[in-house]
Amino acid sequence: QKEVEQNSGPLSVPEGAIASLNCTYSDRGSQSFFWYRQYSGKSPELIMFIYSNGDKEDGRFTAQLNKASQYVSLLIRDSQPSDSATYLCAVGDGQNFVFGPGTRLSVLP
Amino acid sequence: EPEVTQTPSHQVTQMGQEVILRCVPISNHLYFYWYRQILGQKVEFLVSFYNNEISEKSEIFDDQFSVERPDGSNFTLKIRSTKLEDSAMYFCASMGQAPNEQFFGPGTRLTVL
Repeated sequence: QKEVEQNSGPLSVPEGAIASLNCTYSDRGSQSFFWYRQYSGKSPELIMFIYSNGDKEDGRFTAQLNKASQYVSLLIRDSQPSDSATYLCAVGDGQNFVFGPGTRLSVLP
Repeated sequence: EPEVTQTPSHQVTQMGQEVILRCVPISNHLYFYWYRQILGQKVEFLVSFYNNEISEKSEIFDDQFSVERPDGSNFTLKIRSTKLEDSAMYFCASMGQAPNEQFFGPGTRLTVL
């Protein structure tokens, strides 16, 4: 059974701080790694994807992947109240994806 | 801006009835997906569809479920005989050539009574 684990939170950070979200996965054969943001009552929205070990930056977001440790993280710099949402980690093997339970982030003004 | 649309937004049905959930993916996208999310729980992958056939499916996607792309634009999920535990939000998603061209529809809330 492939598992993706995330701390459910809530993770509270002050406005302007860096939010760090973490995810671990069980299947060493996983090839693709995604971070989604889901506002309450809404559908997931893709923020970042990463395939290779290391860091990938897009604006205020940085995804970090360490396949040896089976660990993927998302850093959000200069956090804004509008970033308050649930962040979903998803891990793919081909076109089959396993989602984590999500981490609820609260950015305090 | 192109978007994925889903109909209906809310479907209420009796246990044992068949339901068809409809999705219109973004027109030039190649990959299509169905996911479900039971209230308060994680998103679960059901099925992926490429080149007019299923490419992957999860354990949840049993014989009660089927998908079709009947006319080159719509993408449907059929549940033949609904159970109470099928009550969930069902999301359709489509993806283009690149992974960042991936968009979810707004979802259909299915309530089985």
